[in-house]
Amino acid sequence: GQNIDQPTEMTATEGAIVQINCTYQTSGFNGLFWYQQHAGEAPTFLSYNVLDGLEEKGRFSSFLSRSKGYSYLLLKELQMKDSASYLCAVPPRGQAGTALIFGKGTTLSVSS
Amino acid sequence: DAGITQSPRYKITETGRQVTLMCHQTWSHSYMFWYRQDLGHGLRLIYYSAAADITDKGEVPDGYVVSRSKTENFPLTLESATRSQTSVYFCASSEGSSYNSPLHFGNGTRLTVT
Repeated sequence: GQNIDQPTEMTATEGAIVQINCTYQTSGFNGLFWYQQHAGEAPTFLSYNVLDGLEEKGRFSSFLSRSKGYSYLLLKELQMKDSASYLCAVPPRGQAGTALIFGKGTTLSVSS
Repeated sequence: DAGITQSPRYKITETGRQVTLMCHQTWSHSYMFWYRQDLGHGLRLIYYSAAADITDKGEVPDGYVVSRSKTENFPLTLESATRSQTSVYFCASSEGSSYNSPLHFGNGTRLTVT
């Protein structure tokens, strides 16, 4: 089966760096997704990692360690608009085209 | 513009009534999904579909029915609504041809069952 764990809440200040962790257990692995969801809105795709290491996309970076079943999302130069929930997700049973299993999400609050 | 749209955005219904939530996508994506999102549970899969006339159950299918007669539409029906089905419902689609195909979500339907 699949199990995904994320911290429930995090707080940070504008301009800071924050790391949101995700640990997972899955039978068969074919990548890990991160989504952002602002309050009252739909989740939107941020990143996909399938190989170990860090992938950078502007202020956001995502890291994966397959051997440790661990990923993190790194947000730099935080802005107020980064206040949102961040969802970690994996494909179940490693099958393409099937639905993603989501963690419960980490709610990030950015203050000035 | 291409995209995925859900209707209605908000719906209030009474216990025992049948209600249908609509989902329409213009990308011609093969895969479509229905999730519900509740505090403390996150997003949970209700049903998904790999193509027209092919559907399969997800994690929480009880009390729901889906159909997919056309690739672009994937309606979700609550046959006899219960208060426990009060939730935010998200429809999503995916090209699904490779492992890195992301899900694209509609704006959601907030359903209240009284």
